[in-house]
Amino acid sequence: DVKVTQSSRYLVKRTGEKVFLECVQDMDHENMFWYRQDPGLGLRLIYFSYDVKMKEKGDIPEGYSVSREKKERFSLILESASTNQTSMYLCASSFTASGALYEQYFGPGTRLTVT
Amino acid sequence: RKEVEQDPGPFNVPEGATVAFNCTYSNSASQSFFWYRQDCRKEPKLLMSVYSSGNEDGRFTAQLNRASQYISLLIRDSKLSDSATYLCVVTLSDSWGKLQFGAGTQVVVTP
Repeated sequence: DVKVTQSSRYLVKRTGEKVFLECVQDMDHENMFWYRQDPGLGLRLIYFSYDVKMKEKGDIPEGYSVSREKKERFSLILESASTNQTSMYLCASSFTASGALYEQYFGPGTRLTVT
Repeated sequence: RKEVEQDPGPFNVPEGATVAFNCTYSNSASQSFFWYRQDCRKEPKLLMSVYSSGNEDGRFTAQLNRASQYISLLIRDSKLSDSATYLCVVTLSDSWGKLQFGAGTQVVVTP
């Protein structure tokens, strides 16, 4: 069974703290993605990675960075958390192979609250 | 203007009834189309792809209208377990599988 796991389901941090969100997939997928989901806005892509050490900006990268040192692990970093980064963060992964490219498998999400 | 727009609902549907809803997209270069399903407090999961000729998967029928730039989802014989938020997803042509999500349409099936 495919599995994407995220390090925390709930996280509360203070403004200005550095925050690490970890995502691990066990499907040997090439592509990994970080989204945030807010009411009325849907899922918005923050960053994605198509290979180890490779990363590309998504639609809303400001205030975030990422790291992919191993194929199975993709980390999202909030360098200095702000209250407007309070959100649900979802990690996803997918194969590059044709026919499977657009089926993304999601982790359970991390609800981050910045106070 | 949002790239992908959906009626947020909720669509309240009696069990056994049919419900249909649309999604519009703004980029005429969009290549592929999907419906994802998200249960309350859960992660999204792929429900079905949407093909140009329209396609069915059991009680679910998806249609694409490229001229008017919308896709639709119809659910027949609704079950209580169909209660969820349905996310409309479009893509441009790229090699990494980036998805553009709508905010979702909530469907509530009542006994």
